[in-house]
Amino acid sequence: EVQLVESGGGLVQPGGSLRVSCAASGFTFSSYWMNWVRQAPGKGLEWVANIKPDGREKHYVDSVKGRFTISRDNDKNSLYLQMSSLRAEDTAVYYCARPPGGNVAFDIWGQGTMVTVSS
Amino acid sequence: QSALTQPASVSGSPGQSITISCTGTSSDVGGYNYVSWYQQHPGKAPKLLIYDVNNRPSGISNRFSGSKSGNTASLTISGLQAEDEADYYCCSYTSSGTLVFGGGTKLTVL
Repeated sequence: EVQLVESGGGLVQPGGSLRVSCAASGFTFSSYWMNWVRQAPGKGLEWVANIKPDGREKHYVDSVKGRFTISRDNDKNSLYLQMSSLRAEDTAVYYCARPPGGNVAFDIWGQGTMVTVSS
Repeated sequence: QSALTQPASVSGSPGQSITISCTGTSSDVGGYNYVSWYQQHPGKAPKLLIYDVNNRPSGISNRFSGSKSGNTASLTISGLQAEDEADYYCCSYTSSGTLVFGGGTKLTVL
């Protein structure tokens, strides 16, 4: 079964750091671009970042540039999002998402992990 | 990287058809055939309905269809059913190599 499972969310103080992870199974992880998408409580979806299969190309939404780093370990079938200088507005459910084949969309989603930035 | 513009809400009666619009710019919706649509029920992860403007993934009902004209993409749901009541989001690739979602549309089935 194709599956994505996020972990690592929690409560962190403003200015703090946190790393969330996404474990992939059931498909050839190393062949896919991978993405992080977030959703603040009661709000819409926001694309956060993506990374090329070999890890050499990355893109970020402007609001997280310089603070978040996306990475992957193809040997461990895992995707990561290192978040630093966290702000209250980063509070959200963070989903990892995979595109369908070579297409630009998200057909496989994890269940999400909640990150709360609060003092 | 401004969000794509969607109506906040739409409604329709069972059996009717509704259309949700998604307006961007020539740097995103108008410039690429990489528009996708998602359905999200409360507390659930989004579900892909349409990709590449008008393609349905396997298992998605043909009641869902997508189109694009200029900088505006559209999702049409025909034969509305109660279970279609959900939030709907569009998403587009951009000239910066990033992706951007619309603000979301709440569909109410009357």
